[in-house]
Amino acid sequence: ETGVTQSPTHLIKTRGQQVTLRCSSQSGHNTVSWYQQALGQGPQFIFQYYREEENGRGNFPPRFSGLQFPNYSSELNVNALELDDSALYLCASSLAAGRDEKLFFGSGTQLSVL
Amino acid sequence: AQSVTQPDIHITVSEGASLELRCNYSYGATPYLFWYVQSPGQGLQLLLKYFSGDTLVQGIKGFEAEFKRSQSSFNLRKPSVHWSDAAEYFCAVGGLLSGGGADGLTFGKGTHLIIQP
Repeated sequence: ETGVTQSPTHLIKTRGQQVTLRCSSQSGHNTVSWYQQALGQGPQFIFQYYREEENGRGNFPPRFSGLQFPNYSSELNVNALELDDSALYLCASSLAAGRDEKLFFGSGTQLSVL
Repeated sequence: AQSVTQPDIHITVSEGASLELRCNYSYGATPYLFWYVQSPGQGLQLLLKYFSGDTLVQGIKGFEAEFKRSQSSFNLRKPSVHWSDAAEYFCAVGGLLSGGGADGLTFGKGTHLIIQP
């Protein structure tokens, strides 16, 4: 158990809809990163939030957006869902945004887009 | 652009035998290298990481990895595997601000480890 919890665990949506995924960071962690893991692939970096501001972003379109709240919990929002958005979405928290910081991953949200 | 290649999609090893999982990376600067393990339905757990210094890194669960700059490799090894080691293993590379930092990590596609009794 890492102390990082994600909800919901599974979700089914229809193409064109919008979805919000939630993450509760490990206690004391002020940084959260989101990754997308398609079937049979490694995780891909979506973005990172540090102290409520986006701190870095991978190669994902603007319809992927996020929020980090004062309690350091986080949301990932995806608009205009596409079939290729079907994947496991992983949240990872860390004490800070530096290179030495260990990531603690949640178990993920499995999103299916039909 | 940075990349990670894990040449073996599946590896089958007998319980008690030794294990080596291969990882090759491409990165334009000093790389920071990681191995993660993922069990079914679970998130990723860090096994070990290399930032600098001794090129042989010890991790959890009896795993170790060796950084070879000349070969751009960071292979994971274990002298004797247990049935509980069956899982998906991911190698990842990051940069100066990574370790999960602002640049994020670049992961390989993973190697699925099967343990035979």
